[in-house]
Amino acid sequence: DSGVTQTPKHLITATGQRVTLRCSPRSGDLSVYWYQQSLDQGLQFLIQYYNGEERAKGNILERFSAQQFPDLHSELNLSSLELGDSALYFCASSGLAKETQYFGPGTRLLVL
Amino acid sequence: GQQLNQSPQSMFIQEGEDVSMNCTSSSIFNTWLWYKQDPGEGPVLLIALYKAGELTSNGRLTAQFGITRKDSFLNISASIPSDVGIYFCAGPFSGGGADGLTFGKGTHLIIQP
Repeated sequence: DSGVTQTPKHLITATGQRVTLRCSPRSGDLSVYWYQQSLDQGLQFLIQYYNGEERAKGNILERFSAQQFPDLHSELNLSSLELGDSALYFCASSGLAKETQYFGPGTRLLVL
Repeated sequence: GQQLNQSPQSMFIQEGEDVSMNCTSSSIFNTWLWYKQDPGEGPVLLIALYKAGELTSNGRLTAQFGITRKDSFLNISASIPSDVGIYFCAGPFSGGGADGLTFGKGTHLIIQP
């Protein structure tokens, strides 16, 4: 158990819809990262938050957004969903050693 | 952009055999990381490397940071069934001050009974 929790575990929705994925980091970790894992693109870094502020963006689509709340939990919002957005979405957190990232169990999103 | 190429893509081995896999980058990395992902779970950090030429062990796992800083190697000795999974190399994502990681496509390790 990494200490990072993600909900829901599975999500099935339709094209054009909007969903929100939730993540709680390990206790004490200020950095939260979101990753997308798909068969064709592999594991890709989407966005990072640090102590409530957006720190950096990776390969995140404009239809996707995220935020980190004062209690440090984070949400990833995916809108205008397309079939190609079907993937595993992971949240990770880190403390001072930023390369030591602890991954949650992921949310499996299926867009039909 | 950055690309990490892992080889082999998959390995079919017998229990007890040693395993070697590697990762090459199109650019220089200052940190190399090796993660393992079990089915249905998130990646777990195995070994972190911070200096060119560094050799680091974690139990039966040994990883090396290549001298050119563009490659890294992971060896597993005397494989056991719980070693099955996907092994990823990773390095710092380039751009925008991000602390996120860039991952290779992974090496699937399958152990035949």
